[in-house]
Amino acid sequence: DADVTQTPRNRITKTGKRIMLECSQTKGHDRMYWYRQDPGLGLRLIYYSFDVKDINKGEISDGYSVSRQAQAKFSLSLESAIPNQTALYFCATSDLQGGSNSYNEQFFGPGTRLTVL
Amino acid sequence: KNEVEQSPQNLTAQEGEFITINCSYSVGISALHWLQQHPGGGIVSLFMLSSGKKKHGRLIATINIQEKHSSLHITASHPRDSAVYICAVSRNQFYFGTGTSLTVIP
Repeated sequence: DADVTQTPRNRITKTGKRIMLECSQTKGHDRMYWYRQDPGLGLRLIYYSFDVKDINKGEISDGYSVSRQAQAKFSLSLESAIPNQTALYFCATSDLQGGSNSYNEQFFGPGTRLTVL
Repeated sequence: KNEVEQSPQNLTAQEGEFITINCSYSVGISALHWLQQHPGGGIVSLFMLSSGKKKHGRLIATINIQEKHSSLHITASHPRDSAVYICAVSRNQFYFGTGTSLTVIP
């Protein structure tokens, strides 16, 4: 079984709809991240969480919210989807080894392809 | 300006060729990462390094901290190496390059 799973894998929705993307991990990592990937732009950080009580905005958090329900679960919500949120979304995890300033190897989920019409 | 720049953006090689992908960065870092993204979209970590050189099979990654530059080399390239290779640096967060799309032709 995959260590980092994302559901759904594909989603087509309409402008204005609320969408939730879910991420679960079995690696026991404290740190979890949500990224979006657009052609030619690379991965961009939306939100990240260092533990259940810690939520931080990333580079492009506007229009998104997150919930860290448990160490293993980190959900991303689009409150009112718009077409320019069409992208490939990745969840990732990493552990705390090396201290708070040490960013270790990240493990990525398979991605969710979201299309907003 | 992107904190991480990769070159080339696209690369086509014949099977067996030696391949080099370059990465330059402009920020102080804790570590540099090379990632591989296959056509299906999944991303896997190939290397994490903060100095020197690492080797895994036919892949070699080097970093020069003073010059803020890293290279990923693939020896004896194979069509299954066809993928997008992404350079990323970590400091207080991760910064990603836009990727190098590699196609290896049989």
